[in-house]
Amino acid sequence: DGGITQSPKYLFRKEGQNVTLSCEQNLNHDAMYWYRQDPGQGLRLIYYSQIVNDFQKGDIAEGYSVSREKKESFPLTVTSAQKNPTAFYLCASSMNRYNEKLFFGSGTQLSVL
Amino acid sequence: AQKVTQAQTEISVVEKEDVTLDCVYETRDTTYYLFWYKQPPSGELVFLIRRNSFDEQNEISGRYSWNFQKSTSSFNFTITASQVVDSAVYFCALSEPYGNNRLAFGKGNQVVVIP
Repeated sequence: DGGITQSPKYLFRKEGQNVTLSCEQNLNHDAMYWYRQDPGQGLRLIYYSQIVNDFQKGDIAEGYSVSREKKESFPLTVTSAQKNPTAFYLCASSMNRYNEKLFFGSGTQLSVL
Repeated sequence: AQKVTQAQTEISVVEKEDVTLDCVYETRDTTYYLFWYKQPPSGELVFLIRRNSFDEQNEISGRYSWNFQKSTSSFNFTITASQVVDSAVYFCALSEPYGNNRLAFGKGNQVVVIP
C-alpha cells in the first residue's frame, strides 16, 4: 500500500540530546513537509522540501534540522537547541508544490524525560 | 498574513444530529485554496476537500457538505446525520499562493458524537 510511514510512534528525549524522527513515503511525491502540533493548536510548519537536495524553513524552524538526500525520505532532527520539544510531529507529502492535497503519516509523539 | 479562525473548540452532538463547523479566513490574495482535513484518534490527518477561490459552488459528498462564501470569507463544513465514526478533530486550512503549498491551519474543531 502506498503511503507515509513515520517512526517511531513514541520517542523520549533526554536533556541536551538530539533525536531524529523518520519519515518515508512511497507515493513518488516531490514535496514533503514537517508539522508540529501542540494540544488544542493547529499545525505549524517546521520545514518543507519541494525537491530532492533542497529544503526551506517554515514558520518555526529554530531548533530543528532536516535533510532530503532521497526523494522517499525526509528525516527531522530535533536538536538540543529546541527548548520545548514536547509535541506531536506530523510528516506529510504532496505530489508537487502547487496547492495539492497533503497526505499525512500517523505521527510521532515526542516527550522530554 | 494568512490566518484561519475556527472559533468553536469542542462540539458535542448526539448521534444523528447535524453539526456545522465554522471556518473564517483572512488573506490579501485573490487566488488561494481552502482545505478541510479530518484527524481521527489515530492521529494522521485525512484530506476531505480542496476549494479554489474562484469556485464558489457548494459541494456535497455523502453526509458532508461545504458552504463557501467569499463575501464573508467563510468556508463552513456540515456533517449531516452524524455518526460515532465522525468523532475527530477537523481542521480548516488556507494555502499560500505562488506554488509553495504552505498551509495556514486553524486550531481545529474537536467533534464528539455521543451514541
